[in-house]
Amino acid sequence: DVQVVESGGGLVQPGGSLRLSCAASGFTFSRYWMRWVRQAPGKGLEWVANIKQDGSEKYYVDSVKGRFTISRDNAKNSLYLQMDSLRVEDTAVYYCATGYCTSNDCYFAFQYWGQGTLVTVSS
Amino acid sequence: QSALTQPRSVSGSPGQSVTISCTGTSSDVGGYNYVSWYQHHPGKAPKFMIYDVDKRPSGVPDRFSGSKSGNTASLTVSGLQAEDEADYYCCSYAGSYTWVFGGGTKLTVL
Repeated sequence: DVQVVESGGGLVQPGGSLRLSCAASGFTFSRYWMRWVRQAPGKGLEWVANIKQDGSEKYYVDSVKGRFTISRDNAKNSLYLQMDSLRVEDTAVYYCATGYCTSNDCYFAFQYWGQGTLVTVSS
Repeated sequence: QSALTQPRSVSGSPGQSVTISCTGTSSDVGGYNYVSWYQHHPGKAPKFMIYDVDKRPSGVPDRFSGSKSGNTASLTVSGLQAEDEADYYCCSYAGSYTWVFGGGTKLTVL
C-alpha cells in the first residue's frame, strides 16, 4: 500500500524555523517529482514547491522564495521542507504530494497525498 | 500566481448531476491542457480525480468527468451519491514547473 506521511509541524514564533519531513513507501520514490502543498485555515490549497526526481531542479511559489528550501533523499524515500524566516501567513496544514506516473509516463498532476502536518506561526 | 476562481458551493440531490467551474487565465487554464481535480474530505488526504483536463486515473468512477473551454475548466459529477459530498479543488499548470489551485468548492448532497 502507498503511504505518504508528513511530520515536523508545530508552533513557532514569527521569524523562526521549522523542518518538515515526508516519509514515502509503497511506490518507487525516485521515479516521482515531489511537491509540497499547503492549506491555510479556511482557505484553499496552495502549491508551495516542487523537486525533480534527482533533486537537480527546484521550484517555489513566489511568496516562499528565499525562505523555504525543498530537498529529498532518495535512499531514505524522504522529502523535506526547510522553512526559515517564518511569517504568520505561513500558518497552514502542509501536505506532501507526488507527481502522477503510470507504468509508461509521468504527468502534470498530484497523485499520492499525505494527511498533512499543521504549522502554526504565532507569537 | 493568482488562485483560480471556483464557486464557493454547489449542491444537488442524489442521482442528479452538478458541474463545478474553474476559471483562470491564458497563462494557466487557457494556456495548457494540464488541469487536474481533487476531492478533499476535511481531515483526510486529498484524492486525485482528473488529470489532463478530462482523463480519469485508474479507480475513479466514470461519474466524474472533466472538460475545458477557453480559460474555464469544469468538473461534472453525475449520479450524485452521498459520499461525493466533499470539497473539490481544480489545479492548473502555470508554466515553468509552477502550479495554481482554485479556492475550492463545497459540494453538498441534499
